Amino acid sequence: DTGVSQNPRHKITKRGQNVTFRCDPISEHNRLYWYRQTLGQGPEFLTYFQNEAQLEKSRLLSDRFSAERPKGSFSTLEIQRTEQGDSAMYLCASSYWGQGLSYEQYFGPGTRLTVT
Amino acid sequence: AQKITQTQPGMFVQEKEAVTLDCTYDTSDPSYGLFWYKQPSSGEMIFLIYQGSYDQQNATEGRYSLNFQKARKSANLVISASQLGDSAMYFCAMREGPNTDKLIFGTGTRLQVFP
Repeated sequence: DTGVSQNPRHKITKRGQNVTFRCDPISEHNRLYWYRQTLGQGPEFLTYFQNEAQLEKSRLLSDRFSAERPKGSFSTLEIQRTEQGDSAMYLCASSYWGQGLSYEQYFGPGTRLTVT
Repeated sequence: AQKITQTQPGMFVQEKEAVTLDCTYDTSDPSYGLFWYKQPSSGEMIFLIYQGSYDQQNATEGRYSLNFQKARKSANLVISASQLGDSAMYFCAMREGPNTDKLIFGTGTRLQVFP
């Protein structure tokens, strides 16, 4: 039974570059979430999907951020024109939703982004 | 106003003792869910326990129990018989309302268990 996996685990990039992260959820889970966590804070919601549909996106999410889940399985999070303020841990989670019930979210190990 | 408030930045507890981590929440929606997650130094968030707003009884999962006081809007986590491996950050989170599945997290409490 594999958990949520994220790649890469670490990414160092220069300001202005684009980066893309990948998340592979637990196979039977139909919901997938992205969060961002900065040092000393709790995770902050970015967006989530049910299958391939993006159901909710944080108002705090800049237009430089885009997420996709094209086939309802893995998801990618792209950040364009990175800024130093984008440096954070990007966490992916997945869960099962069915019959009007939502269950706990299982998190991956995260991708740590450092923008220099 | 903060949706989730964790007022204890750090807590110490001796091994085998019980410890309570505080969490208060703010919502006007009658339907919500409360979660506790553990984040060890490795970084991965580990689900511990869940309490629904309509649940009549306090949730329990092994050594974890949730002291849910609805009128006071508090959802404190109780860890019994602390172990050295319990040393970690603990986050309280809320799912607010029936039409969203996003979690709102508090700022966390760092628990240190000493021998």
